[in-house]
Amino acid sequence: GAVVSQHPSWVICKSGTSVKIECRSLDFQATTMFWYRQFPKQSLMLMATSNEGSKATYEQGVEKDKFLINHASLTLSTLTVTSAHPEDSSFYICSARPTRSYNEQFFGPGTRLTVL
Amino acid sequence: EDQVTQSPEALRLQEGESSSLNCSYTVSGLRGLFWYRQDPGKGPEFLFTLYSAGEEKEKERLKATLTKKESFLHITAPKPEDSATYLCAVWYDYKLSFGAGTTVTVRA
Repeated sequence: GAVVSQHPSWVICKSGTSVKIECRSLDFQATTMFWYRQFPKQSLMLMATSNEGSKATYEQGVEKDKFLINHASLTLSTLTVTSAHPEDSSFYICSARPTRSYNEQFFGPGTRLTVL
Repeated sequence: EDQVTQSPEALRLQEGESSSLNCSYTVSGLRGLFWYRQDPGKGPEFLFTLYSAGEEKEKERLKATLTKKESFLHITAPKPEDSATYLCAVWYDYKLSFGAGTTVTVRA
């Protein structure tokens, strides 16, 4: 149980294009999902907290107009990187918190984004 | 100010050579300290959650302990498959704050 999937697992795009990453909780409902970014040999940095049916809460320094988050259902959240640039290349990981829990998080396998 | 500090950054062990990883934290009113394992190119895999000083949890060759200011992850008689980055995180302000991790390499 408690499986989280991400799609795609990797994506390469040209500078200036937009990329959408999906995060799904497969066997549980998640009122809250989190989006992280991880640069090589660094730890996970929280980008934003996404609550189903409401606007995401972004961490300081994260551009909300660049990283659009939509949490339209209890099992799906999407992150869209708009007008991507090479500096946006990173490993993006989502996690989902089961509705029944207040602090458990289950992580997806991550999405490797490379912007050329 | 960093809320979670892990040490050492890297640890190279011989198979069977037990060791410990440290995670120190500065948040007050801890509502959960988490240990995760992360393999290269993968998302973190949950290992343990600890809530109060004195608490211990075990899973196979891993044992996590918690004091008021730090947590230890003990690896007993490690095997090469225990090679990974081990991440510590604290639940604070309704979110997880991660340490930088300890990369463990176990040689056969």
